[in-house]
Amino acid sequence: AQTVTQSQPEMSVQEAETVTLSCTYDTSENNYYLFWYKQPPSRQMILVIRQEAYKQQNATENRFSVNFQKAAKSFSLKISDSQLGDTAMYFCALSYNTGNQFYFGTGTSLTVIP
Amino acid sequence: GAGVSQTPSNKVTEKGKYVELRCDPISGHTALYWYRQSLGQGPEFLIYFQGTGAADDSGLPNDRFFAVRPEGSVSTLKIQRTERGDSAVYLCASSFYGRNTEAFFGQGTRLTVV
Repeated sequence: AQTVTQSQPEMSVQEAETVTLSCTYDTSENNYYLFWYKQPPSRQMILVIRQEAYKQQNATENRFSVNFQKAAKSFSLKISDSQLGDTAMYFCALSYNTGNQFYFGTGTSLTVIP
Repeated sequence: GAGVSQTPSNKVTEKGKYVELRCDPISGHTALYWYRQSLGQGPEFLIYFQGTGAADDSGLPNDRFFAVRPEGSVSTLKIQRTERGDSAVYLCASSFYGRNTEAFFGQGTRLTVV
């Protein structure tokens, strides 16, 4: 079975500060992909960042970076220089090579405070 | 179209009624997914189409739920004898087939069963 756990239901951060969202997962497979998705009130899931499990280097996308610890099965998201537009639900997700079926966590609601 | 389109945006129906939810994927995307997102939860996989056929329908909760994609493009999720527990946001996503491809989500249909 695959499970994705996000232990922080809600978080807040001051504008321009840095925040880290946690995610752990469980899988018996060796090849997989990990994702962070953002879901604003519009409900549309937007890809923030993606990590291939076979790559040791942590993925980065502008202000967003991850800390991928494969042995610990941990995949945290760091948002630097937080902006008001970052306020949203953030979901960690896992998928495998065959197709793009995702296994999502329960989400973290992030609020950026002006 | 430019993105994944889902209609209607919101649907209110009475318990026991039949509903159809429509998903229009990005042109050229062969893979199409349906997810259900209950309040306060992450999306849960329902069904995956590769072309016209359902490659994986293991997430459908029971036989009241059915989905089709007759021409390999638009998909319809059908729910018979709706129950109040079916109330959720139903998300659709599409992608090109294969590993390391990005899935694009629609804005979902919020179904409320009263």
